[in-house]
Amino acid sequence: AIQLTQSPSSLSASVGDRVTVTCRASQDIGNSLAWYQQKPGRVPKLLIYDASGLESGVPSRFSGSGSGTDFTLTISSLQPEDFATYYCQQFNSYPLLVTFGGGTKVEIK
Amino acid sequence: QAQLAQSGAEVKKPGSSVKLSCKASGLTFSSYAINWVRQAPGQGLEWMGGIIPIVDAAAYAQKFQGRVTITADKSTTTAYMELRSLTSEDTAVYYCARGTSSDYWGQGTLVTVSS
Repeated sequence: AIQLTQSPSSLSASVGDRVTVTCRASQDIGNSLAWYQQKPGRVPKLLIYDASGLESGVPSRFSGSGSGTDFTLTISSLQPEDFATYYCQQFNSYPLLVTFGGGTKVEIK
Repeated sequence: QAQLAQSGAEVKKPGSSVKLSCKASGLTFSSYAINWVRQAPGQGLEWMGGIIPIVDAAAYAQKFQGRVTITADKSTTTAYMELRSLTSEDTAVYYCARGTSSDYWGQGTLVTVSS
């Protein structure tokens, strides 16, 4: 089974900071990776699909990059509403198989 | 508007089963995977399995094989997830979500397993 390792598991940052979260897959997954944001008590929200595609309505300060085994989510200038937990997710369509990373909590410094 | 509407909260005894529903409205249902994802209190997201309704093909995470069944009714655009032999470890919020990159999520269903 494919495993996803996110790092760091948590970080403290200030408004305006550039924030980078990494996700490493245990084997080559091409670009079959998505990123989600989840705030406490809320439903996860899709940010990035296919490793680098920006979901409609998501601010352009969010970006994704990478392919194969190493992926990055970048927030170019952290905003107050961005304090949340971020998850990477890999997927295979046929057969259906999905794995989530362990999450990265972004907290206020 | 486009949404996935899940059934209400459940309280179950250890050893029992629970069956949750997820009804799609205003969005394409059959040709997308419908995934079931759970989140235990204070924990991360965990994929349990999913189904592609148009081909009626279900797949399950190894952890849940033999204990979970996911089905879909194309006529009512509703997906179901049944989890059996519940323990306290199954206490969690259960979500349905559309697509391999899930753009639509249900509101979540809290399942509490307690004696």
